[in-house]
Amino acid sequence: NAGVTQTPKFQVLKTGQSMTLQCAQDMNHEYMSWYRQDPGMGLRLIHYSVGAGITDQGEVPNGYNVSRSTTEDFPLRLLSAAPSQTSVYFCASSYSNSGGDEQFFGPGTRLTVL
Amino acid sequence: KNQVEQSPQSLIILEGKNCTLQCNYTVSPFSNLRWYKQDTGRGPVSLTIMTFSENTKSNGRYTATLDADTKQSSLHITASQLSDSASYICVVIRTGGGNKLTFGTGTQLKVEL
Repeated sequence: NAGVTQTPKFQVLKTGQSMTLQCAQDMNHEYMSWYRQDPGMGLRLIHYSVGAGITDQGEVPNGYNVSRSTTEDFPLRLLSAAPSQTSVYFCASSYSNSGGDEQFFGPGTRLTVL
Repeated sequence: KNQVEQSPQSLIILEGKNCTLQCNYTVSPFSNLRWYKQDTGRGPVSLTIMTFSENTKSNGRYTATLDADTKQSSLHITASQLSDSASYICVVIRTGGGNKLTFGTGTQLKVEL
């Protein structure tokens, strides 16, 4: 049982490049989400999904796209990278979005945009 | 506005000593509150969860308290160990739809010999 996995662990992009951050979970969780963590700020929600085929925007969605074709996978796409997107990105999953379920976090992807 | 404030921002203590971290929130309507531990370079891991009716909950050397009337929570660490060095994040969950979680900025704890 691997839990939540993320790839890559580190990435450097040039401004304007695009890329996809991968996230997968093997716990059969319905709820998955993406956060970014910046110094001096709490984790901020980018996008989330309550099940396969359903996604919604979080607090800071601009510049990011998501899709959820399967229960297991929830990739995050950066369309045209900007220096403001330099951050650590965490994927998380939980059984539901009820709030009472523990969120399990992946190890994170550290992204630098030059 | 839903907010979670944590104090202190950082803390250094000697191994074996106790410490208490604070969390004040304005999230409404309140559902529950979690404390997470985040080791450097890792994702957060849940330590405790507290609902509206719970005042105290322990997990080994970690004890969380909640005062829902004053909207305050604390995390007490007893007999600290070097492995307790981490960031401790308070997360308040509200009821209702949409994004329900509000994260604090964390307290960075360093335990030294």
